[in-house]
Amino acid sequence: EAGVAQSPRYKIIEKRQSVAFWCNPISGHATLYWYQQILGQGPKLLIQFQNNGVVDDSQLPKDRFSAERLKGVDSTLKIQPAKLEDSAVYLCASSLSILGSGANVLTFGAGSRLTVL
Amino acid sequence: AQSVTQPDIHITVSEGASLELRCNYSYGATPYLFWYVQSPGQGLQLLLKYFSGDTLVQGIKGFEAEFKRSQSSFNLRKPSVHWSDAAEYFCAVGAPGGYNKLIFGAGTRLAVHP
Repeated sequence: EAGVAQSPRYKIIEKRQSVAFWCNPISGHATLYWYQQILGQGPKLLIQFQNNGVVDDSQLPKDRFSAERLKGVDSTLKIQPAKLEDSAVYLCASSLSILGSGANVLTFGAGSRLTVL
Repeated sequence: AQSVTQPDIHITVSEGASLELRCNYSYGATPYLFWYVQSPGQGLQLLLKYFSGDTLVQGIKGFEAEFKRSQSSFNLRKPSVHWSDAAEYFCAVGAPGGYNKLIFGAGTRLAVHP
């Protein structure tokens, strides 16, 4: 099966500019996640969708970050305006999951590396 | 709240030597446990997982991990390391009955000397 697709792979922007990342999950996967991975750290969950509804966005900096998952398939993560500390790899993952189960495997995309100058 | 600790930031081993990467978790019950590997410029690839049953689990690429409830640990092992195993390894925990999100440790970077 095709994996999780992400684009762009690399993006360099100036601070205060905006950027958007796109993710296409594995076909049929109901749950989609965006993680932020800062250099030298483990991935941190930003937002989790179940179909097209948000189930967890507690760590999303909502003053500058937004995400949507239209029609329960593709998702877009936007940052506006970007700050220096937003430099990171943004990982998208999906899982064929049932809420309340927990026993599901996340499949990750290759990530989008953002550098904010 | 769940948390994961990987005490070793960097580990260097010689090719052919054995490997053990440590992982400790904090959770009130038995969580779901995972090990992922990340090669440079790549996403995370699942090595193995523990949901229930046998506490010694086998994964891909010759890796195994053992769940020890008394020590809240889920250490990753490999009997003989290959140069291609050089990567970053992440332990993660998921909460049964929750929304399936994973909490990751900070990772252990493995270097392999020829």
